[in-house]
Amino acid sequence: AQKVTQAQTEISVVEKEDVTLDCVYETRDTTYYLFWYKQPPSGELVFLIRRNSFDEQNEISGRYSWNFQKSTSSFNFTITASQVVDSAVYFCALSEAGTGNQFYFGTGTSLTVIP
Amino acid sequence: EPEVTQTPSHQVTQMGQEVILRCVPISNHLYFYWYRQILGQKVEFLVSFYNNEISEKSEIFDDQFSVERPDGSNFTLKIRSTKLEDSAMYFCASSERQGSPLHFGNGTRLTVT
Repeated sequence: AQKVTQAQTEISVVEKEDVTLDCVYETRDTTYYLFWYKQPPSGELVFLIRRNSFDEQNEISGRYSWNFQKSTSSFNFTITASQVVDSAVYFCALSEAGTGNQFYFGTGTSLTVIP
Repeated sequence: EPEVTQTPSHQVTQMGQEVILRCVPISNHLYFYWYRQILGQKVEFLVSFYNNEISEKSEIFDDQFSVERPDGSNFTLKIRSTKLEDSAMYFCASSERQGSPLHFGNGTRLTVT
């Protein structure tokens, strides 16, 4: 079974629109970590954020915000006022404390921001 | 800021040849990984390495693959006899400790002809 599900394969938005990328995870561990990575067209994988399972506080960093909800096993990522430079593939990932730092990646959501 | 470095950035090889992909992880990191990504597809886990041994490997990581950390700084992935389907971007990553984020290198694009 998929441990991390990103149901949205591709999303297109017009510049300045807000967009939310969904991530649903599955784990039986009580201690785990969630991550988002960005892969721009140049191909590198860039770390964006890490949350641990004990910290459900939402986080905002500029135009980016993350909504972690344990009740729904979701860790969604919202970009406010999207820009063309936000066009990329975004990956959600899970790491469980009980599996020796093994990371599980979702299949990614390709975001296109249209000018 | 320290980073993971990978060489070469692009490797072209003929089917059946051996290739070695090289990585220098961040120096104080303890966990090391190889992932691959076939063009436009998902990031696939190959192998993780901790305390000088493989800690996990995927089904993709068969007998044709091996990893080494020969000198305390380099971390290499060897493919003994490449196949066409091994063509992909190979990413090395390292992590400082459990729960820390993975830091990825820029990848090596392997093309098998």
